[in-house]
Amino acid sequence: GESVGLHLPTLSVQEGDNSIINCAYSNSASDYFIWYKQESGKGPQFIIDIRSNMDKRQGQRVTVLLNKTVKHLSLQIAATQPGDSAVYFCAETTNNFNKFYFGSGTKLNVKP
Amino acid sequence: DVKVTQSSRYLVKRTGEKVFLECVQDMDHENMFWYRQDPGLGLRLIYFSYDVKMKEKGDIPEGYSVSREKKERFSLILESASTNQTSMYLCASSLEEAGPNYGYTFGSGTRLTVV
Repeated sequence: GESVGLHLPTLSVQEGDNSIINCAYSNSASDYFIWYKQESGKGPQFIIDIRSNMDKRQGQRVTVLLNKTVKHLSLQIAATQPGDSAVYFCAETTNNFNKFYFGSGTKLNVKP
Repeated sequence: DVKVTQSSRYLVKRTGEKVFLECVQDMDHENMFWYRQDPGLGLRLIYFSYDVKMKEKGDIPEGYSVSREKKERFSLILESASTNQTSMYLCASSLEEAGPNYGYTFGSGTRLTVV
């Protein structure tokens, strides 16, 4: 996941703009990735996943891009809304699908 | 609606107390996990379980133990609570086998404060 730091990175965007949240993962053997969204006071919720045999996957308003060469994952949110304000985590796992490793997260702040 | 339920949202305990955090899932998932979440450190795995009465240490098991007597229930135990165990604790469950949209289902978390 992302480098561990004392402060949570924050991304501030205007409502209606597109958001891009990045994640550098550490294990080149990781072959399955998930993005989670965590709203204040709640547990993380699944947003979208991607397997290592793909480099792009689209959902509703969200797109995940995977660059295995540089071990980088990104989450793109189109037409960001106030309800998108949350902390976003990437998670990676290897063929052992039982255990995921999480990045430290990015806080998305959507300004009305 | 499937879900993972953590028995308490907020707990305040005294140093040295034995603390039990309970987690129940209704999805018949084989795997269950306990994480703690601290600002800037992300989610760190404490313990996990692949089956009833089975447990494995995660990355930070010191000061904790777990119990899984039934498939649906996974308990985290702080043997003697300390102030550095003040944190948000998240329980999660997952299927044994990978499949579409495989991943964890999380509970809402228990915010534990040790004073």
